This record gives sequence, structure tokens and C-alpha cells, in this order.
Amino acid sequence: NAGVTQTPKFQVLKTGQSMTLQCAQDMNHEYMSWYRQDPGMGLRLIHYSVGAGITDQGEVPNGYNVSRSTTEDFPLRLLSAAPSQTSVYFCASGYRGRETQYFGPGTRLLVL
Amino acid sequence: DAKTTQPPSMDCAEGRAANLPCNHSTISGNEYVYWYRQIHSQGPQYIIHGLKNNETNEMASLIITEDRKSSTLILPHATLRDTAVYYCIVRPMTTDSWGKLQFGAGTQVVVTP
Repeated sequence: NAGVTQTPKFQVLKTGQSMTLQCAQDMNHEYMSWYRQDPGMGLRLIHYSVGAGITDQGEVPNGYNVSRSTTEDFPLRLLSAAPSQTSVYFCASGYRGRETQYFGPGTRLLVL
Repeated sequence: DAKTTQPPSMDCAEGRAANLPCNHSTISGNEYVYWYRQIHSQGPQYIIHGLKNNETNEMASLIITEDRKSSTLILPHATLRDTAVYYCIVRPMTTDSWGKLQFGAGTQVVVTP
């Protein structure tokens, strides 16, 4: 298994540009989620999904959209990038009823 | 409001046990204690979790006080690869709370030779 994969690893955007961060898992996990981590801080939940076709907001959802059309993929869309969205983004997944969440390696985003 | 309180940093000698404290004085009866760690900018890694009984796995032991207001993560024989930020998290064991991990600042553990 590849586990949780994220692309790209690093991205530079200009203010106002849009982009999609990709997240995929090959473990057939029902649950997937997106977190952001600002320098020196813990992770904060952006959006999560309990299964294909079901998504919900986390702690800091503004400026981000998600969709879950398949079990494997959970892309995160930045509609109009702002410097405040400069961060490291982590995707995670896990089985319903199992407590272990598996995190991807992260995407480092810089918005100028 | 922070649900857990951890010291910002601690050092540990290689080969010795590392005891990481966590205070969660407002924990509810249906909330579990979880520990994750993050090694230098990698994605967090699950370590262990528990409700009220002590737990042990291949990575660590978790000791929860009888009143459940605090806990200690024990790394029995710390290695240099255990240098990481360790997060103590409390979360209700309910379906609608799954995935909603609230990470604080954690404890930066440095294992020295």
C-alpha cells in the first residue's frame, strides 16, 4: 500500500490564484480529513468526510472547498489564495471505528 | 479553550525512559486520551490511546490517573529517532467526532546521545 499520498509537495501561488491540493489513499478508508499547520503551531482541521458524497466543515473552513466523489480521493480547493493561507497542509484517513489516523507527508504552500 | 496542557519542551537521554505529562482536568466521561507525534515536519503519527485503563503497545505505554485528570506517555527506551513533537489530545468516542483531532502546541522532546 502507498498509504496516504499528497501532491504537490510544494507550491507557490500568487494572491488570487486558485489551485487544488490532491489527497489519495489506497486503504479503503471511509474517513478522510484535511488539516493545516502554521509555523510553530499544532494542526487545525479544515474539512472532513465520513464517506463518499459526505463532507463537513472543521475548525477553519473559510476559503476552502472539498468534495468526495470516490472513497480514494479527497481534494482540497483554494478558491482565491491569500497570504494567510500560507501553511503546510496535511491529509489524513482512517477506518470507521478504528482510532488510528494515517497522515500524508504534507503539501507546503506559499502564497505571495 | 485548550482541553490539554503539556510542557513546551523536555530533554531525554538516549536509552532512558521518557515520561511525557499531560493535564486534561476537564475531560468528560466519554472522552479518550490520544497521543500522536510529529517528527520534523512529517505528518503526525498515531502512538496510543486509552480511556481509563493503562495501555501498552510496541511504541509506548499510557498511564491515566484514576480521576482521569492527567496522563503520562512513557517511551521506555528513548532513541534519537524519538525526537519529535508529542501531542496529547482528548476526543469523545463518538462517530460524529471522528477525525476532529484538536492539536495543541505539544511537547518538543529532544533525545540526546
